[in-house]
Amino acid sequence: EPEVTQTPSHQVTQMGQEVILRCVPISNHLYFYWYRQILGQKVEFLVSFYNNEISEKSEIFDDQFSVERPDGSNFTLKIRSTKLEDSAMYFCASSERQVQSYEQYFGPGTRLTVT
Amino acid sequence: DAKTTQPPSMDCAEGRAANLPCNHSTISGNEYVYWYRQIHSQGPQYIIHGLKNNETNEMASLIITEDRKSSTLILPHATLRDTAVYYCIVRVGSLSSSNTGKLIFGQGTTLQVKP
Repeated sequence: EPEVTQTPSHQVTQMGQEVILRCVPISNHLYFYWYRQILGQKVEFLVSFYNNEISEKSEIFDDQFSVERPDGSNFTLKIRSTKLEDSAMYFCASSERQVQSYEQYFGPGTRLTVT
Repeated sequence: DAKTTQPPSMDCAEGRAANLPCNHSTISGNEYVYWYRQIHSQGPQYIIHGLKNNETNEMASLIITEDRKSSTLILPHATLRDTAVYYCIVRVGSLSSSNTGKLIFGQGTTLQVKP
């Protein structure tokens, strides 16, 4: 069964450093998402992406964040200058279509620890 | 999107049916009810969705009341591996600049399946 993959599974970085989290969505999917979950809190939407551009972003997704689909298979989330409060699980998701009858498939997540 | 209310936690005996309720009294006519679950900080996993008819798949059944103001997710024979946080999500059907398919997660119900 096709699945969304994410690398690395765990990333440790120092405050102020740039990190890139990578995702490979399911191959025929067209809609891509990033979510995050701070330890003990709920899953929060960050950004949605379609047709090589951001279609929606949350208040969390400020200028420090960017997304890219560089090569038609990978989907990346970059945090330019990490802060302690960026420590969280980051989940990538993809879906075949955007209408509500199609579910999103989530990756296993990347645990980001900012020290 | 309509707001949902779920009990924070529930217990279920292994092998018995788990019935997880969700209240969505402000749901509108074009909103679907989705259920996802998250097993111990893994990526959320789609379970089932419905509009107004009851639905069943290999994982679960979804019972939606006639007025659509509440629903129940039924896991017919719960196993220890069903221990997870279960999220009931209501999502707008029509596409718009503010509806790009994002999922808004609440706190969910923590289901503990006990031997």
